[in-house]
Amino acid sequence: QSALTQPASVSGSPGQSITISCTGTSSDVGSYHYVSWFQQRPGNAPKLMIYDVNKRPSGVSNRFSGSKSGNTASLTISGLQGEDEADYYCSSYTSTSTWVFGGGTQLTVL
Amino acid sequence: QVQLVESGGGVVQPGRSLRLSCSASGFTFGTYGMHWVRQAPGKGLEWVAVIWHDGSNKYYADSVKGRFTVSRDNSKNTLYLQMNSLRIEDTGVYYCARDAGREGNFDSWGRGTLVTVSS
Repeated sequence: QSALTQPASVSGSPGQSITISCTGTSSDVGSYHYVSWFQQRPGNAPKLMIYDVNKRPSGVSNRFSGSKSGNTASLTISGLQGEDEADYYCSSYTSTSTWVFGGGTQLTVL
Repeated sequence: QVQLVESGGGVVQPGRSLRLSCSASGFTFGTYGMHWVRQAPGKGLEWVAVIWHDGSNKYYADSVKGRFTVSRDNSKNTLYLQMNSLRIEDTGVYYCARDAGREGNFDSWGRGTLVTVSS
């Protein structure tokens, strides 16, 4: 149950697009469509932003999108806004019927 | 609306036990799987356990297997996490989260309860 690999930090200017990667293995990301992304602001609980690789829950901005290729999933935020500044985590279902999270990525809006 | 409220956290010595609760409202609790997820101070999220909607299946992270037990009482709309043989590294905020299956795993979260394991 090793954590999925995410970059520790990414940054972008308002209006730009950024992409956060989430690399797993053939036992998790590579084999299942159950990849999710979460936003967590300081002091708050995580919030689901993307599920099943590329689906957005009701109420989540369409500036957030997800994709997957092989063992790597990606979260793209377009039209970056100051309110997007937060930590982002990916998660995946695994072949042992468990779940695993990524180490988290801190997004800074310059 | 969906509401999840964790309770039972506190300060406990290594080797002791603690039971967390997660009270659910605003949805039909007995039709959803439920997770426990924890976060050590200043660290990332760590999945802890999942229990199916009817309690028939439970799965655990290797780090807690054999020490933690997840259970639920659908008549009380409550999820539990019994934590035994606690270690210093179990310190963190414990969240419960709903698994809405086709509408999203971990789609709703509580605010968390802090567990501190310290001598």
